[in-house]
Amino acid sequence: AQKVTQAQTEISVVEKEDVTLDCVYETRDTTYYLFWYKQPPSGELVFLIRRNSFDEQNEISGRYSWNFQKSTSSFNFTITASQVVDSAVYFCALSELVGSSNTGKLIFGQGTTLQVKP
Amino acid sequence: EAQVTQNPRYLITVTGKKLTVTCSQNMNHEYMSWYRQDPGLGLRQIYYSMNVEVTDKGDVPEGYKVSRKEKRNFPLILESPSPNQTSLYFCASSLSQELAPRELFFGEGSRLTVL
Repeated sequence: AQKVTQAQTEISVVEKEDVTLDCVYETRDTTYYLFWYKQPPSGELVFLIRRNSFDEQNEISGRYSWNFQKSTSSFNFTITASQVVDSAVYFCALSELVGSSNTGKLIFGQGTTLQVKP
Repeated sequence: EAQVTQNPRYLITVTGKKLTVTCSQNMNHEYMSWYRQDPGLGLRQIYYSMNVEVTDKGDVPEGYKVSRKEKRNFPLILESPSPNQTSLYFCASSLSQELAPRELFFGEGSRLTVL
């Protein structure tokens, strides 16, 4: 069965520190997609990134970067020079295929709560 | 502004009293879906709709109904709510999922308490 594990339940850092959120996934699909979402204290879920299994290039977007390693089934997320506004719950998610069809369903990890202190 | 709108945002109700959580999107998205979020269980899909008039069950559909009569609306119906349906509910939409998984745009969530 497909599964996403975010082993870090809570992380606390001081502003300006770098922080990495881990995500490990399990799938038997050869083609799959991975996502990260942010859930700030206000509660909504905000899309951050989508990556397919054929693209192993790391991605950088401002202070955010993602490291996709197929060999270790990991898709880790790093925030450089963290800020208080980065405080949120972060979810890693995996797309699931039913047979060869996409249902749009995401398998979410349990989430990592990041607290950035001033 | 592009958005997914859910109502109500907060609701306290009693066991057995039918309720509907509405969801509307203004992005002309083909795909819509409902998730529930529970502590320790993360987010789980309840129902999804690939397009108008096409709906299917997700992982936890028991006790829920949906309909997709129009592209923009995807209401979640609890015919006879029970306390185990106390949860935070999210509606989401996206461009067509037919060819490849697409990013979901989520509503702000509806916190439901069933007494």
